[in-house]
This record gives sequence, C-alpha cells and structure tokens, in this order.
Amino acid sequence: DAMVIQNPRYQVTQFGKPVTLSCSQTLNHNVMYWYQQKSSQAPKLLFHYYDKDFNNEADTPDNFQSRRPNTSFCFLDIRSPGLGDAAMYLCATSSSGLAGLYNEQFFGPGTRLTVL
Amino acid sequence: QQPVQSPQAVILREGEDAVINCSSSKALYSVHWYRQKHGEAPVFLMILLKGGEQKGHEKISASFNEKKQQSSLYLTASQLSYSGTYFCGTRDPLSSGSARQLTFGSGTQLTVLP
Repeated sequence: DAMVIQNPRYQVTQFGKPVTLSCSQTLNHNVMYWYQQKSSQAPKLLFHYYDKDFNNEADTPDNFQSRRPNTSFCFLDIRSPGLGDAAMYLCATSSSGLAGLYNEQFFGPGTRLTVL
Repeated sequence: QQPVQSPQAVILREGEDAVINCSSSKALYSVHWYRQKHGEAPVFLMILLKGGEQKGHEKISASFNEKKQQSSLYLTASQLSYSGTYFCGTRDPLSSGSARQLTFGSGTQLTVLP
C-alpha cells in the first residue's frame, strides 16, 4: 500500500543534542510537509517542500532545518533541541499542480520526540 | 491566522448527531476536515471547495458558507469509531509559496459513548 512512513516512532534525546527525524513516502507526491504538534493543540506547519523548493514558515525557529534529497525522502533536523521542542512531529504529503489545490494531505504516523 | 472551531469538546451517545463549526477571519479558498484519534496521525475526511462540489465520507457531511467564511461538519447517527479530535484546515489563496498550505483550526474533541 502506498503510504507515508516516519522513523523512528519515538525518539528520546538530551537537551542540546542534535536529532534527525526521517520521513519517506511511496505516493510519489511532489509536496512534503513537516508539522509540529504539541499536546491538545493543532498541527503547526514548520515548513514544506514543493518539489525541491523549500518554503519556511516565518515563525519557524532557526533551530529547525530540513533536507529533501529526493522525491521520496525528507528529513527534519533539530540542531539543539530544547525542552520546548518536545512534541509529535508529523510528516505529510500532497500532490500539487492545477488539481493539487484540492487534494488532501496524507499524514505519517508521527515521531514523538522527548527531550531530557 | 488560525481558524476558530466550536465547540471545543462535545460528548454524545452513540446514534446522536453532532455539528462542528469552523470560522475564519479571512476569505477561504477551500476547507479540509481531518479526524485524529489519540496517538495517531490525522486522517482526511473531506474537502469543501469555493463554489464547487463537496466530497463526503460515511455518514459525515459538511457545508461551506463562503460569505460567512464558515464551514460546518455534520456527523449523523454517531458511531463509537467517530470519537477523536476533528480539525478543520483552511487554505488562503493569498498564501506564499507554490503550494497552498493548510492552517489548522484549534480542534474539537468528540467523544461518543455507548
């Protein structure tokens, strides 16, 4: 089945220790998103890729970086995690183009990050 | 700007109906609805398009009032499986970037009891 996969599902890191979260997709979608979701809150968009074009949200901290080496994979790097970065990180994909404005986003299962 | 959802939470019995509202202060291009169960990823339910047709899912339907910049999600004859948090996601046609990202509402927690 076509899907969005995130690894690891649970990640524990220490304060200030860099961490990388990964996302892969078999849907061949050209748009990939990273969201941060804290408990009882809505997903908050950090950034997205439209093909290779990187689009950063204005309020995304510099501590968060992303890489998309190819269509299938996308990575979220947190350079120096703080206690406030503990959250669920969701990857999502969508197709774009003329019809893409109407298309849904497919979410991965998420990675729950704990910062000690 | 984040759309506002109401109510924040609702509890109902199996078989009862519920309405969840989503309001935006900006003109909307389209509205998406997602359901998220605890500890799981959001799952797409439907999309409502400005001036276009809607898509449905099971016994769940929705409306989109462009003039009022509002959308409502209707759940009829609720089932236990409907429990979860419902989010609306709005698309702003003036947003930057080639892809139109979603801004998610505050969420409505729905609990269906037997």
